[in-house]
Amino acid sequence: EVQLVESGGGLVQPGGSLRLSCAASGFTFSCCWMSWVRQAPGKGLEWVANIKQDGSETYYVDSVKGRFTISRDNAKNALYLQMNSLRAEDTAVYYCARWNYAFDSWGQGTLVTVSS
Amino acid sequence: EIVLTQSPGTLSLSPGERATLSCRASQNIDNNYLAWYQQKPGQAPRVLFYGPSSRATGIPDRFSGSGSGTDFTVTISRLEPEDFAVYYCQQYGSSPWTFGQGTKVEIK
Repeated sequence: EVQLVESGGGLVQPGGSLRLSCAASGFTFSCCWMSWVRQAPGKGLEWVANIKQDGSETYYVDSVKGRFTISRDNAKNALYLQMNSLRAEDTAVYYCARWNYAFDSWGQGTLVTVSS
Repeated sequence: EIVLTQSPGTLSLSPGERATLSCRASQNIDNNYLAWYQQKPGQAPRVLFYGPSSRATGIPDRFSGSGSGTDFTVTISRLEPEDFAVYYCQQYGSSPWTFGQGTKVEIK
């Protein structure tokens, strides 16, 4: 069974940093593109970033370019999202998701709240 | 950026009724790279369709997906109690990948 478990969310002040982690199990992690998708409270879904199987390619939504960095460690079956210069509008539940012609597996999400 | 507009915003129906959800793109979606997701309160989304008519594993056949170019549809032939949820379309034909704003299917 595919499992994705996010961690690292919490309350952070504007301008601060946070690193999210996603532990993957139940599949060959190195097979797949991986992504982060977020959902602001009471709002819709927003794709944030993708990373290729070997980490050689990454893509970001414009609103996080230069502030967020997606990375992975295939040896540890782990996906990361380093978030710097956080803004109030980054407040959301952040989901780790596996990409396989769609986001076919999702974690339960971790809440990031940016507030003073 | 491709903008996806879903309609209606809310669909109020009774169990057993037919539901038709629409997703319209601001420009052609390359290769019809469109997926659909269902999200229930407090849960992560789950994929219904990719491509846009290939049903994901475990999705019952009362769900059907269709469309091409800029217009896509999901139809639920007869609503079951567990189908009341929010549905999102998502395009992956061009970057940035984008989602529609969602259609809420609620019990009338």
